[in-house]
Amino acid sequence: AQKITQTQPGMFVQEKEAVTLDCTYDTSDPSYGLFWYKQPSSGEMIFLIYQGSYDQQNATEGRYSLNFQKARKSANLVISASQLGDSAMYFCAMRSLSGGSNYKLTFGKGTLLTVNP
Amino acid sequence: DTGVSQDPRHKITKRGQNVTFRCDPISEHNRLYWYRQTLGQGPEFLTYFQNEAQLEKSRLLSDRFSAERPKGSFSTLEIQRTEQGDSAMYLCASSLVGAGAYYGYTFGSGTRLTVV
Repeated sequence: AQKITQTQPGMFVQEKEAVTLDCTYDTSDPSYGLFWYKQPSSGEMIFLIYQGSYDQQNATEGRYSLNFQKARKSANLVISASQLGDSAMYFCAMRSLSGGSNYKLTFGKGTLLTVNP
Repeated sequence: DTGVSQDPRHKITKRGQNVTFRCDPISEHNRLYWYRQTLGQGPEFLTYFQNEAQLEKSRLLSDRFSAERPKGSFSTLEIQRTEQGDSAMYLCASSLVGAGAYYGYTFGSGTRLTVV
């Protein structure tokens, strides 16, 4: 079974500063993918960034980067130069890339990020 | 490509009534998923289709829930005899088998159900 833990129910950051959202995971799958999604108040889940367990380098997408530490089973999201529009719920998720359950995303409980002007 | 569309966006119903939600996936995507998200939680997997075949159903999907995807295009999720515990956001997503895991899923904006 897979499990995602997000220990920060809420985070505050000043506009233009960087913020790190924590995510730890547990899985017995040898190959897996880790995702971060943003959910604004409108409800849509917006894909931000992906990291494969086999990737040697940390993923980056614009202002988003994923600090992947495989031995510690952590996949923290770093948002640089925060903007007011970054205020939203952020979810960490994972998916097996092997075996019969590779279709299913498992999500954490999320972190509510508030960017202050 | 207009993304994943869900209808309605909001539904308020009385306990005991039946409700049906619709999801239109990205046209070239052959997999379609339904997730449920309750307040303060992340989305939880309900079921998924590959083309028109429903291949997996979560234990969360009681007998009152039924999902269809006729002809492998749009999908409907019906809840019969709704209960207050069914109040949640119902999210639909689609993906293309064979695409890299990088692409993950594309989610719709969800249908928020309130049972009163």
